[in-house]
Amino acid sequence: KQEVTQIPAALSVPEGENLVLNCSFTDSAIYNLQWFRQDPGKGLTSLLLIQSSQREQTSGRLNASLDKSSGRSTLYIAASQPGDSATYLCAALTQGGSEKLVFGKGTKLTVNP
Amino acid sequence: GAGVSQSPSNKVTEKGKDVELRCDPISGHTALYWYRQSLGQGLEFLIYFQGNSAPDKSGLPSDRFSAERTGGSVSTLTIQRTQQEDSAVYLCASSYAGILYEQYFGPGTRLTVT
Repeated sequence: KQEVTQIPAALSVPEGENLVLNCSFTDSAIYNLQWFRQDPGKGLTSLLLIQSSQREQTSGRLNASLDKSSGRSTLYIAASQPGDSATYLCAALTQGGSEKLVFGKGTKLTVNP
Repeated sequence: GAGVSQSPSNKVTEKGKDVELRCDPISGHTALYWYRQSLGQGLEFLIYFQGNSAPDKSGLPSDRFSAERTGGSVSTLTIQRTQQEDSAVYLCASSYAGILYEQYFGPGTRLTVT
């Protein structure tokens, strides 16, 4: 059974800092891994999707990497801004049997001006 | 274009009553998903539709939960005889052509069972 873990659960940084959010998964047989952002009281916004054959994806100040063999993904946010404050969720789409997105519990990021 | 919409945005109901939650996916998206997000818990997969059929119902927590999709578009999630532990945010998502595609989420329905 796939388990996805995100560490830390919460992170507070000053504006302008570069930061890394971590995601680990127990079953490396995945189709892809997705990173989402969730603002309070809102749904999820997809940030990046990395296919299992890819090593990384970039969008603006965001860069996500994937290392299937070690069961890890990281989301790098460059030059953080207060508007980046949100909860960041990673989710692994697992192969075989019941194919579904399995989510971590998220990292709550606060960027202080 | 329009994103995924859900209604109602908030629902307060008494224990034992039935509730229906509605999801309108992005036009043209053939796959639709329901998730539940409880306080302090991660997102929990409930059910997945491809067209009008549900190849994976494995996440439905009990037989009080059911879902249907008609016309390959709108879906309703029904919870019968609601219990307090059903209180959560219910999120719907859709994707273009199936489980391998990026999922786009609606704003959710916050259900409170008193």
